[in-house]
Amino acid sequence: DAGVIQSPRHEVTEMGQEVTLRCKPISGHNSLFWYRQTMMRGLELLIYFNNNVPIDDSGMPEDRFSAKMPNASFSTLKIQPSEPRDSAVYFCASSSGGEQYFGPGTRLTVT
Amino acid sequence: AQSVTQPDIHITVSEGASLELRCNYSYGATPYLFWYVQSPGQGLQLLLKYFSGDTLVQGIKGFEAEFKRSQSSFNLRKPSVHWSDAAEYFCAVAPPQAGTALIFGKGTTLSVSS
Repeated sequence: DAGVIQSPRHEVTEMGQEVTLRCKPISGHNSLFWYRQTMMRGLELLIYFNNNVPIDDSGMPEDRFSAKMPNASFSTLKIQPSEPRDSAVYFCASSSGGEQYFGPGTRLTVT
Repeated sequence: AQSVTQPDIHITVSEGASLELRCNYSYGATPYLFWYVQSPGQGLQLLLKYFSGDTLVQGIKGFEAEFKRSQSSFNLRKPSVHWSDAAEYFCAVAPPQAGTALIFGKGTTLSVSS
C-alpha cells in the first residue's frame, strides 16, 4: 500500500492567493483527518470526515478555510485568501479503526 | 477538558542507554493511547497503541509503553537507544472508539549523543 498521499509537498504562495492541498487516504479507510502543525501551537485538528461526511470542523480557524471530501479516495483543504499566519505543515491522516496513519505533509509558506 | 502533557520538551541520552519519555493525560474514561515519532521533515509514524487489555504494549523499533490507569500515564520506553532514534516523539489520546480525532501532546525532542 502506498500510504496516505499528499500533494503538493511544498507550496510557496503570496498573501491573498488561493491554496489547495490534496489528500488521498489509504484505500479502505473510512475516516480522514486534517491536522496543522506549527511551532507555536503544535499539532491541532482542523477537520475530520467519517464516510465522506464532515463530523467536526471546530478546528477550522475561520471562514477562509474549507475542506471537502467528494469521494472515499480524495479530499481537499482550501485556504482563500491565504495569509502569512497560515504558514505551517498540514497533515492528512486516515483510519479504519482507532489508529491513524499520516501522510508526509504539505509545508505551506505564505509570504 | 481532554489534554495530553509531555513534561519534557527535550531529552538527551547516550547511545546504548535506556530511555523513558513521559506522557500524562486528562480524560474522563480510559482513552485510546498512542505514541508517534516524527523525524525532521517527515510525517508521523505510529510506534504503538493501547486500546485495552495488557497494560504493557510492544511497538515497532524496540519501543514499549506501559499504561498506568492510577497515574493517568502512558510512558514510552526503550532499553537501548540507537542514534537513529533521534527524533520528536508525540503522545496522543482519542476517545475509545473508531473514527475520532487525536489530541496530541506538545512533543519531546530526543537527542542521542555518542
